[in-house]
Amino acid sequence: GAGVSQSPSNKVTEKGKDVELRCDPISGHTALYWYRQSLGQGLEFLIYFQGNSAPDKSGLPSDRFSAERTGGSVSTLTIQRTQQEDSAVYLCASSPARIVWPYEQYFGPGTRLTVT
Amino acid sequence: DQQVKQNSPSLSVQEGRISILNCDYTNSMFDYFLWYKKYPAEGPTFLISISSIKDKNEDGRFTVFLNKSAKHLSLHIVPSQPGDSAVYFCAASGGGGSNYKLTFGKGTLLTVNP
Repeated sequence: GAGVSQSPSNKVTEKGKDVELRCDPISGHTALYWYRQSLGQGLEFLIYFQGNSAPDKSGLPSDRFSAERTGGSVSTLTIQRTQQEDSAVYLCASSPARIVWPYEQYFGPGTRLTVT
Repeated sequence: DQQVKQNSPSLSVQEGRISILNCDYTNSMFDYFLWYKKYPAEGPTFLISISSIKDKNEDGRFTVFLNKSAKHLSLHIVPSQPGDSAVYFCAASGGGGSNYKLTFGKGTLLTVNP
């Protein structure tokens, strides 16, 4: 079946502009995650959605970052007033309804964001 | 404050030999560990995992070893194949209510030479 898809694959934006990144999870997966990978770093947890529960936003680095998940499926990560340090690959992942061992998350190919 | 550390940014091995990738962690609350593999321009894919109640888990050519007292785990690939060339990420989960939250290392680039 179809995996996690993300769009756009690449985004170049000017400092100060807003950007929206989109994620389509695997059909039937109720859990959705956003991570980012800055150059030379590991994946950094940003936010987690599970069904209709309140999202875990503990990883969002600043109030310029926000995310929504509409209808329990598609998610949008929005970065307002982008800064150069926001340049990174933004990865989305999804997993089935029950969070059971081995907590496998299925990742999309990512969106490479470059802020000039 | 890196809680999951992969101290070798890269590793090069010959085809057919063993590849050993290492990972150290500092948070004693971590009780589940996973390895992910990532090819360029693709998302990471799950490879193998281990619970803290075990010290070894094997899946085909891949074996993960966990030493809880040393807070160290390693991934062994035997025999290594050129198609194994990728970045390998070690990840840990804290269990309990936040078991969905994975903490990743920076990754190790494995190159398997024919």
